Amino acid sequence: EAQVTQNPRYLITVTGKKLTVTCSQNMNHEYMSWYRQDPGLGLRQIYYSMNVEVTDKGDVPEGYKVSRKEKRNFPLILESPSPNQTSLYFCASSPLGLVDTQYFGPGTRLTVL
Amino acid sequence: QKEVEQDPGPLSVPEGAIVSLNCTYSNSAFQYFMWYRQYSRKGPELLMYTYSSGNKEDGRFTAQVDKSSKYISLFIRDSQPSDSATYLCAMSVSGANSKLTFGKGITLSVRP
Repeated sequence: EAQVTQNPRYLITVTGKKLTVTCSQNMNHEYMSWYRQDPGLGLRQIYYSMNVEVTDKGDVPEGYKVSRKEKRNFPLILESPSPNQTSLYFCASSPLGLVDTQYFGPGTRLTVL
Repeated sequence: QKEVEQDPGPLSVPEGAIVSLNCTYSNSAFQYFMWYRQYSRKGPELLMYTYSSGNKEDGRFTAQVDKSSKYISLFIRDSQPSDSATYLCAMSVSGANSKLTFGKGITLSVRP
């Protein structure tokens, strides 16, 4: 089954404790992206990647890191989480050139105390 | 001024109504325009994708882009309760597989 998986789905952590949210897709897609969704602010892009070792900033990259060492994985790293990073995070993937084909993961709800 | 503005809603309509959802934008470099639908507790799904100005129709859905006015719309004909969701517009300079800027989303409720 074609899918994007995210882990963990729910996480409560404390300020400053490094964490990684994993994202994996099984469709050999070149493009992957991370978003955060907050009430009243909508969906905002954090980082995106158009292929292995190619990443670029979205609208809200501050406080986040990403890496794309393999095509299937695109982890989101919070080196020193802060309460303002409490949010619902989505990972997405799509093949380059097929603009109407996108898959979103189920979301990760992160709470930073 | 934010790059993308979307009517905040919420919006409630009776079943069968024609729904018009709108976004305005300030960045004239935007060339690619998308509408996403998001059901409660789910990830967004791409609903419509258009390039530059013009209309695109898919079943009961029509996406319209007016670049001269920096205005895009999504029309839903014969709305159904299953259309109840949050709708987000998104825009990009260089395509859906690049940097995307979203509107805040509007929650639509279609009453049976």
